[in-house]
Amino acid sequence: SAVISQKPSRDICQRGTSLTIQCQVDSQVTMMFWYRQQPGQSLTLIATANQGSEATYESGFVIDKFPISRPNLTFSTLTVSNMSPEDSSIYLCSAITQTGSEKLFFGSGTQLSVL
Amino acid sequence: GQSLEQPSEVTAVEGAIVQINCTYQTSGFYGLSWYQQHDGGAPTFLSYNGLDGLEETGRFSSFLSRSDSYGYLLLQELQMKDSASYFCAVKRSGNTPLVFGKGTRLSVIA
Repeated sequence: SAVISQKPSRDICQRGTSLTIQCQVDSQVTMMFWYRQQPGQSLTLIATANQGSEATYESGFVIDKFPISRPNLTFSTLTVSNMSPEDSSIYLCSAITQTGSEKLFFGSGTQLSVL
Repeated sequence: GQSLEQPSEVTAVEGAIVQINCTYQTSGFYGLSWYQQHDGGAPTFLSYNGLDGLEETGRFSSFLSRSDSYGYLLLQELQMKDSASYFCAVKRSGNTPLVFGKGTRLSVIA
């Protein structure tokens, strides 16, 4: 299993600013992902955070807007850049502990509101 | 592309049984997972079907039919604490990430 700590848990930000969300796992994991979830909606994958290399982004998400780092096997950050109210959402960090595993562990999420 | 369809809302009575269906269309299908998410909480893994048939874990069971591109989650002896959103998610071959359905909001009433 894996326990994922994510911070901040919530933030209110001004338009045009940036916020970096941190994700720390209590054990080494093979893969880490970042999802976005609007209240009452499904989870949309932003990107796969690759250790030591550039993240793999899904259609509709770009590195300039959502830069991601993953310096080691237990830590990743997601930055939401040049924020607009449309970026208001819940951002979730997740991980799998073994390659090919079907079980995804999630952090508790960051609720972001952009004014 | 991929698509998953599940009902948006289901209401059931405490103590009853409820079934949440999920149909999917995807290439490279490998298996179907189910996740539970309470309001304000993180999604948590419930079950996974890699093969056709029924998987049982306590009060929860999950079923898969690959030929019908269909699965369901069965919750028995419903409790108030089961009120939550339930997501089916497709696992595809390789190390590709999960693709989630839109979720079914289950309300358990007395």
